[in-house]
Amino acid sequence: GIQVEQSPPDLILQEGANSTLRCNFSDSVNNLQWFHQNPWGQLINLFYIPSGTKQNGRLSATTVATERYSLLYISSSQTTDSGVYFCAVGPTSYDKVIFGPGTSLSVIP
Amino acid sequence: NAGVTQTPKFQVLKTGQSMTLQCAQDMNHEYMSWYRQDPGMGLRLIHYSVGAGITDQGEVPNGYNVSRSTTEDFPLRLLSAAPSQTSVYFCASSYSLGFGTGISGNTIYFGEGSWLTVV
Repeated sequence: GIQVEQSPPDLILQEGANSTLRCNFSDSVNNLQWFHQNPWGQLINLFYIPSGTKQNGRLSATTVATERYSLLYISSSQTTDSGVYFCAVGPTSYDKVIFGPGTSLSVIP
Repeated sequence: NAGVTQTPKFQVLKTGQSMTLQCAQDMNHEYMSWYRQDPGMGLRLIHYSVGAGITDQGEVPNGYNVSRSTTEDFPLRLLSAAPSQTSVYFCASSYSLGFGTGISGNTIYFGEGSWLTVV
């Protein structure tokens, strides 16, 4: 099946810093989404982005489907950005959505 | 609009007991799925459904059953609970999986999770 990798596994940032999270996948996809899991366990969809670039406030994401990776950019980080960021992909070949292992982000004041 | 509703939120089971985690969505979504999340790990797909009457296995289906008799409901049954099934369970739904359409309706929505402990 498809393999999904995320890097870095852990990240500690000073408030106000910028960061880039990466998601690599091993097969072609027709669905790619980024999620944020807050410290209370709630999963929030950030982007649906199987290709191209999108921006939402301080967050933006880019997916280069032909090279099988996606990037999530967080600018001017805030303590509320802390949590785990997951990439989830839906392979073209079947109807499953598989999650990567996540990047744990801690933003300190 | 309630979104995706999971019950119960917390449950303690004894080894060998059976139970059903309920999941309901009111968004007329075709795609529903169940994931489990273990400490420090990502989400692993248990079972999923692309529409009423259609279910299929995910990455870790053993020990779980599902059915999809209506579009709205997708219950997950633990047949004979084992300590290895101690986990947080998430139900999710979306209008579709995309298939290249790029419409925003492919966004996946999650329930708030069900914390299950098997002793």
